[in-house]
Amino acid sequence: EAGVVQSPRYKIIEKKQPVAFWCNPISGHNTLYWYLQNLGQGPELLIRYENEEAVDDSQLPKDRFSAERLKGVDSTLKIQPAELGDSAVYLCASSLGPGAYNEQFFGPGTRLTVL
Amino acid sequence: KQEVTQIPAALSVPEGENLVLNCSFTDSAIYNLQWFRQDPGKGLTSLLLIQSSQREQTSGRLNASLDKSSGRSTLYIAASQPGDSATYLCAVRGGSEKLVFGKGTKLTVNP
Repeated sequence: EAGVVQSPRYKIIEKKQPVAFWCNPISGHNTLYWYLQNLGQGPELLIRYENEEAVDDSQLPKDRFSAERLKGVDSTLKIQPAELGDSAVYLCASSLGPGAYNEQFFGPGTRLTVL
Repeated sequence: KQEVTQIPAALSVPEGENLVLNCSFTDSAIYNLQWFRQDPGKGLTSLLLIQSSQREQTSGRLNASLDKSSGRSTLYIAASQPGDSATYLCAVRGGSEKLVFGKGTKLTVNP
């Protein structure tokens, strides 16, 4: 069974440019998470989806970040415009659903470098 | 606000040694605790998941314990190997559904 798929794996852009990341969760997983991981830090949640609904986006900087999960499967995270401080690894994770017993599985991440 | 601390930040050991990684958290009202491994440039691989009602979980050479009342967990690695070299992350899950991570312990096992 395929794990969480993310693309691209690496992205280098100039500041003020837009960028988008794509995530395909494990088949059958209704809950999808986007995390941000800065160098030397643990991941921090940006947004959580239950099917197509964003149920926790309190940590998402809404002035420049947006996300969507239109059909409750794949998801896209966008930054427009990117800033130097956005350089980080963006991780996508999925789980069967909410609840304490559902383990989260992570993708390989997208490493963003903003020049 | 939940805070997770991992000690030490880095650890270097010779091959074959048994070792313990520590994780502490400030709010004991958790649903579960998860240990992850992260290799350089890679995503997170789940190693062990301990539910709040459990005291420990074992997988191969790994054993994780949980003492919820004191806000502590340990990851024990037996007979360490160079392939165990990675960063180990501890994360707790509370009522908000999100995982709160520590900064990790970078482990180097020398041949």
